[in-house]
Amino acid sequence: AQKVTQAQTEISVVEKEDVTLDCVYETRDTTYYLFWYKQPPSGELVFLIRRNSFDEQNEISGRYSWNFQKSTSSFNFTITASQVVDSAVYFCALSDQAGTALIFGKGTTLSVSS
Amino acid sequence: NAGVMQNPRHLVRRRGQEARLRCSPMKGHSHVYWYRQLPEEGLKFMVYLQKENIIDESGMPKERFSAEFPKEGPSILRIQQVVRGDSAAYFCASSPGHGPQIAQYFGPGTRLTVL
Repeated sequence: AQKVTQAQTEISVVEKEDVTLDCVYETRDTTYYLFWYKQPPSGELVFLIRRNSFDEQNEISGRYSWNFQKSTSSFNFTITASQVVDSAVYFCALSDQAGTALIFGKGTTLSVSS
Repeated sequence: NAGVMQNPRHLVRRRGQEARLRCSPMKGHSHVYWYRQLPEEGLKFMVYLQKENIIDESGMPKERFSAEFPKEGPSILRIQQVVRGDSAAYFCASSPGHGPQIAQYFGPGTRLTVL
């Protein structure tokens, strides 16, 4: 069975701190895709990144970076120099082999205070 | 360049009434997915549709829930005889194609409250 675990329910940091959100997944598929989404207080889900299982290169986009490690089945997300606008619920998701259903973790609520 | 549109954003129903949730996919997207988010939970897949066809409804409750995506107009998620346990946020997503590598783009959700 496929599963995504986000062990951190809530994280609170002060502005300019770096923060890492953990994501561990389980799948028997050899090819799979992982995603991160952001859900700000307004409620919509914003797509952040997609990563396939064959590409273990870390990715950086501005203050965001992602560390994919197949050996530990993890796809962690780091925000550098956090800002108040980063406050949101962050979801990690795994695509099923057919690409139909995204399997979501329960999310990590990040609160950044000034 | 409009994203996925959902309406209404908030819907209040009394037990036993019907709820109709609408979703207009992004322009050029013909694949629609519905998810439900219960309080303190991640999103759970419900159904995947293409125009006029239900492709995968493995996540839909067996009774009272139905979905359609007609040739013209938005996709509709219909809940008959709502109960308090149906209170949740319902998200629609769309994609331009289908496959595990294709990102799904989500709408703002409809928050259903059953009194």
